[in-house]
This record gives sequence, C-alpha cells and structure tokens, in this order.
Amino acid sequence: AQSVAQPEDQVNVAEGNPLTVKCTYSVSGNPYLFWYVQYPNRGLQFLLKYITGDNLVKGSYGFEAEFNKSQTSFHLKKPSALVSDSALYFCAVRVSSSASKIIFGSGTRLSIRP
Amino acid sequence: EPEVTQTPSHQVTQMGQEVILRCVPISNHLYFYWYRQILGQKVEFLVSFYNNEISEKSEIFDDQFSVERPDGSNFTLKIRSTKLEDSAMYFCASTTRAGYNEKLFFGSGTQLSVL
Repeated sequence: AQSVAQPEDQVNVAEGNPLTVKCTYSVSGNPYLFWYVQYPNRGLQFLLKYITGDNLVKGSYGFEAEFNKSQTSFHLKKPSALVSDSALYFCAVRVSSSASKIIFGSGTRLSIRP
Repeated sequence: EPEVTQTPSHQVTQMGQEVILRCVPISNHLYFYWYRQILGQKVEFLVSFYNNEISEKSEIFDDQFSVERPDGSNFTLKIRSTKLEDSAMYFCASTTRAGYNEKLFFGSGTQLSVL
C-alpha cells in the first residue's frame, strides 16, 4: 500500500545549525513527493516538490530536499536554521501519476532554539 | 498570492446534528479536496473532486459525508449526523488542472467541535 513515513515526531536544532527532517515513502511506480509546512492556526503551505530530474530540489525559505531512490527517502534540509523555521512539517506523496489523491505523513515538529 | 477561503473558522455542534463546512477555492482551480487533521496531528485525506464529481475518497468518507459545488464558486463538505470522533480541523484545498504535480493551496481550516 502507498504510504509515507516521518520517523521523528520532534526535531530540535540550535539556530544557525543545519537541520534535517526525515521522510521515507512507499509507492508503486515513480513517486511524486512534496513537503508542506504548517504554522500555528494556519493551513498547510507548499515548500517544494520532486517530480523528476535532479535529486536535490530547492524550495521556499531556503529549504531543500534530497530524493534518494535506493533508500526511498526524501529528507528535508536547510543549511542554517532560523528560529522562524519552527513549525510542523509534513511530507506528502501523490500515490500515482493517474491519481488525484495525496497522502501526508504524520508530521514532524521542528523546534529551533535561539 | 490568491487564497482559499474557509468559513466558519470554528463550528460547534451537538452530536447527531448536520453541519456544512464551506470553502471558496481559488477561482481558476479545477481540482478540490477536503482533508482533516485531529489535534494537530496527521493530515488525513477525505475526498477529491473534479468536474462536479468525486474523483477519489478515503475510507473515512462514508455515507455520512457528502461534497457539493453548488454554484461554481463554493465547495462544501456536509456531515449529515455528526459523531464525537468527527471533531477535527477540516481543511479545503485546491489546485489547477495544469498537472497532478501542482502544489495544493490550503485554506486556514474550520475547527469542528462535536459535543
């Protein structure tokens, strides 16, 4: 069955340090992968997507994600964290090229300490 | 940037009552979705809608749920007889027909509390 997993409920990083938020997926066929961010009392906002091409995808607010087919992973990264990056992050996958359904992971709460 | 608008922001209802959650998607979008999120946790797919019919739905979207696009602008989610476990934040989202790989635009949500 198609699924997406975020193994960490919470990630804590000091401001200025690099951050990684992990995501693994399981789909049949080529994956269509996304990262979204949710700030308190707000809807989800798109950060970046991987459809095809370069394995390193750059997105909003300085975030990037690396697609690794052999490890079925799509980890979110940022070289230098900001306190304002503190939020809830969701990895998502479209289950197939012919489907409209997008499923989300359980979310990872990122906390950046000053 | 254009926005998806959801009303009301909060809805309190008694168990067994019907509720209608309203959404105004972005005007040139053609694919519409409802998701729900319980207690700030996992975001669960409910239903997708295109060309005035349901494209896909989850096992959560049972006979108590229905969606409608009554007037070409609004997109509604109706729960006929609410249960306590329907309490959640409900998000509407939309995207263009340009491709399945386009990003979803989400509204700010309706917090539904069933008492």
